[in-house]
Amino acid sequence: NAGVTQTPKFQVLKTGQSMTLQCAQDMNHEYMSWYRQDPGMGLRLIHYSVGAGITDQGEVPNGYNVSRSTTEDFPLRLLSAAPSQTSVYFCASMAAVQYEQYFGPGTRLTVT
Amino acid sequence: GEDVEQSLFLSVREGDSSVINCTYTDSSSTYLYWYKQEPGAGLQLLTYIFSNMDMKQDQRLTVLLNKKDKHLSLRIADTQTGDSAIYFCAEMGSGYSTLTFGKGTMLLVSP
Repeated sequence: NAGVTQTPKFQVLKTGQSMTLQCAQDMNHEYMSWYRQDPGMGLRLIHYSVGAGITDQGEVPNGYNVSRSTTEDFPLRLLSAAPSQTSVYFCASMAAVQYEQYFGPGTRLTVT
Repeated sequence: GEDVEQSLFLSVREGDSSVINCTYTDSSSTYLYWYKQEPGAGLQLLTYIFSNMDMKQDQRLTVLLNKKDKHLSLRIADTQTGDSAIYFCAEMGSGYSTLTFGKGTMLLVSP
């Protein structure tokens, strides 16, 4: 049982490059979210989705895009990477009526 | 927006009890959570409590909730060196879909 998977584990980008962080879950969870974790800042919500075709912004959405075409996948796109986006990114999923949010192992992104 | 506050650091000796505290501002919080993060790892859900409960016990873990004061605590009995980690408090609002996290409390357990 894979749970929530994220790829890649590590990534280095140059300023201005774009990339997509992948997130997949095999638990048929309706809700999925992206968070970023910065030292001393805890986790902050970037975008979230309550079902296929439905997404919404969180606390820090600028510079990121998401889409949810299937229940299983919720990719996060960085449109034009900036050093301020250097962070660890976590994807999470949750069943709508169970209230337990499960996290993936994270993607550590460095933008130079 | 809503806020969750935690003390940043706690140091205890092995075998003692640890108490990590958290306060939150959202008066419509539905569930409150404790997560553990070890270095370089993701977040592990430890336990959570529904907002109309005031206590939950799960083996060495005891969660106390004072809804009037918006105060949540996590007590770890017989703390071990393997409990050294960052502990995050989080709350779910009335939307039932996302969490707001505190900045985390680093627990250091010394032998």
